[in-house]
Amino acid sequence: EIVLTQSPGTLSLSPGERATLSCRASQSVSSSYLAWYQQKPGQAPRLLIYGASSRATGIPDRFSGSGSGTDFTLTISRLEPEDFAVYYCQHSTSFGQGTKVEIK
Amino acid sequence: EVQLVQSGAEVKKPGESLKISCKGSGYSFTSYWIGWVRQMPGKGLEWMGIIYPGDSDTRYSPSFQGQVTISADKSISTAYLQWSSLKASDTAMYYCALLPRTPPDWFDPWGQGTLVTVSS
Repeated sequence: EIVLTQSPGTLSLSPGERATLSCRASQSVSSSYLAWYQQKPGQAPRLLIYGASSRATGIPDRFSGSGSGTDFTLTISRLEPEDFAVYYCQHSTSFGQGTKVEIK
Repeated sequence: EVQLVQSGAEVKKPGESLKISCKGSGYSFTSYWIGWVRQMPGKGLEWMGIIYPGDSDTRYSPSFQGQVTISADKSISTAYLQWSSLKASDTAMYYCALLPRTPPDWFDPWGQGTLVTVSS
């Protein structure tokens, strides 16, 4: 089974700053099935990015995804107050352990 | 609008059985896979398994095979997750979610979650 490792575990940033989240796979994976989710406290996860780089419906363009092979990145260009949350990557049956983006 | 609506929170004792539900609407229920995801308190997401309601083809994560049963009743557009004998370690939030395409695929949208608490 593929293991997805996300880093950092916690990212402390201020509104307006850029956030860069990493997701590394234990072996090369198809980017067609790489997804990113956002989860806020008390809410279900929400799909942000699918196919490594395609934004889901209604997702602002400050969210972008990139990568291939074993290394994938979610970038939030300018953090808005509502972006402070936990972010998970997923490939097939594996989820990463999550990155918490918190207010500095 | 595609929507998944899950059954309400449950409080059970160890050894009891439980079946929670996920009702789909706004799409052809028999044409899309539905999955279940566990989130233990304060922890991350775990892929449990998926079912294709059209023919009941079911796939489980090795971690959950034999521990839970996933089923669906296409006559009422509802998927289920059930336990025959709950353990305290089954305490978690359980989400159902739709696979927009064939597996392996991402989940979108998600149900609101069902909190299961197992305590003596």
